[in-house]
Amino acid sequence: QVQLVQSGSEVKKPGSSMKVSCTTSGDAFIPYAISWVRQAPGQGLEWMGGIIPILYTPKYAQRFQGRLTIAADESTSTAYMELSSLTSEDTALYYCVRGDTATFYEYYSEQWGQGTLVTVSS
Amino acid sequence: QSVLTQPHSASGTPGQRVTISCSGSSSNIGTNYVYWYQQVPGTAPQLLIFTDNQRPSGVPDRFSASKSGTSASLAISALRSEDEAYYYCAAWDDSLSGRVFGGGTKLTVL
Repeated sequence: QVQLVQSGSEVKKPGSSMKVSCTTSGDAFIPYAISWVRQAPGQGLEWMGGIIPILYTPKYAQRFQGRLTIAADESTSTAYMELSSLTSEDTALYYCVRGDTATFYEYYSEQWGQGTLVTVSS
Repeated sequence: QSVLTQPHSASGTPGQRVTISCSGSSSNIGTNYVYWYQQVPGTAPQLLIFTDNQRPSGVPDRFSASKSGTSASLAISALRSEDEAYYYCAAWDDSLSGRVFGGGTKLTVL
């Protein structure tokens, strides 16, 4: 059974950066696409970007280009998401999501992490 | 403003059948697979339907989905109180080169 365990909640100041980790256990790490999805309080789901570790190349949603960095560490089966220049609008629950294929557009099952709450406040 | 359009809310009584629509465009639903998620408040979303109309193991056959052109729909038959949740559609968008979601539909079981 695949499990995704994310790092704990954080409180950040406006203008600072946040970094969330997502460690996979129970299955192979490399072949499968990992996405990051966020959900602002009372709002819907928003795909931020993702990475396919075997390809080493991250993909970012256009609105996050320039302030989002996604990386993966094969040695620890951990994916990272770093978002900079934070504003209050970045206050959200951040999820890592792992599919069962090496693509973002076709998959047959998914596992979601427990979510990491990041609050941006002065 | 979400790229995929869903109704904000839907409702039904136990035993009824309800449908939730999801409207997109040629760059997303018209070209790529549609996925549906169920999210009970306070929990992470769960994949309900994959590749347009397939159910993961463990999802009751009361849930079904279809797609036509640039629109998709989720149907829930024999509605139960535990179906009360938010439902999201999603698809890959070739123009945006990213996954897009609908704004979510809150299903209330009266």
